[in-house]
Amino acid sequence: GQQLNQSPQSMFIQEGEDVSMNCTSSSIFNTWLWYKQDPGEGPVLLIALYKAGELTSNGRLTAQFGITRKDSFLNISASIPSDVGIYFCAGQLEYGGSQGNLIFGKGTKLSVKP
Amino acid sequence: DTEVTQTPKHLVMGMTNKKSLKCEQHMGHRAMYWYKQKAKKPPELMFVYSYEKLSINESVPSRFSPECPNSSLLNLHLHALQPEDSALYLCASSQAGALANYGYTFGSGTRLTVV
Repeated sequence: GQQLNQSPQSMFIQEGEDVSMNCTSSSIFNTWLWYKQDPGEGPVLLIALYKAGELTSNGRLTAQFGITRKDSFLNISASIPSDVGIYFCAGQLEYGGSQGNLIFGKGTKLSVKP
Repeated sequence: DTEVTQTPKHLVMGMTNKKSLKCEQHMGHRAMYWYKQKAKKPPELMFVYSYEKLSINESVPSRFSPECPNSSLLNLHLHALQPEDSALYLCASSQAGALANYGYTFGSGTRLTVV
């Protein structure tokens, strides 16, 4: 099946540092989504991207939809302890196609040292 | 209301028990989903309901039986589960059709332990 390659798998950073993670695929996506999941909770949508080249910010978070439509990155600036969690990218292959076509990356586990 | 509510939050059941997981949303979403998530893994799709009809079953064993009584509710009936079925079960909803691309809203999940 379709796969998203998400990297890095984990990150250990100091509070205040910037963070960057990305997802790539061999397939073309029409939508890229970035979710954050805290332990014991469901994923929470951070940013949604709909157009190739689109750059969108949500507070300290910035994400971009790659020009080739095969990749996306998420940046977090000036990290704080509450940024800890697992970040998942997710892509949707078909616009208007069948439901259930949200494909997840394997996740990036972020740890922040105060 | 912008939430997906799942109950119970935690469930421990024996392999001979019958139990149900419940999911509710009042965002007017007409697509609802069940996902299974094992520790340190991404969510895996189980079932999709679109306009209250089952549209996708990802080859899930029959011991999991979904039900969508109306546009706001989604149930997952469990019977004769195995210990390896222990996981976080997530419900999600979205607008249906092309509008599903505007993202899924997930519930907090039910942590299921089968003993």
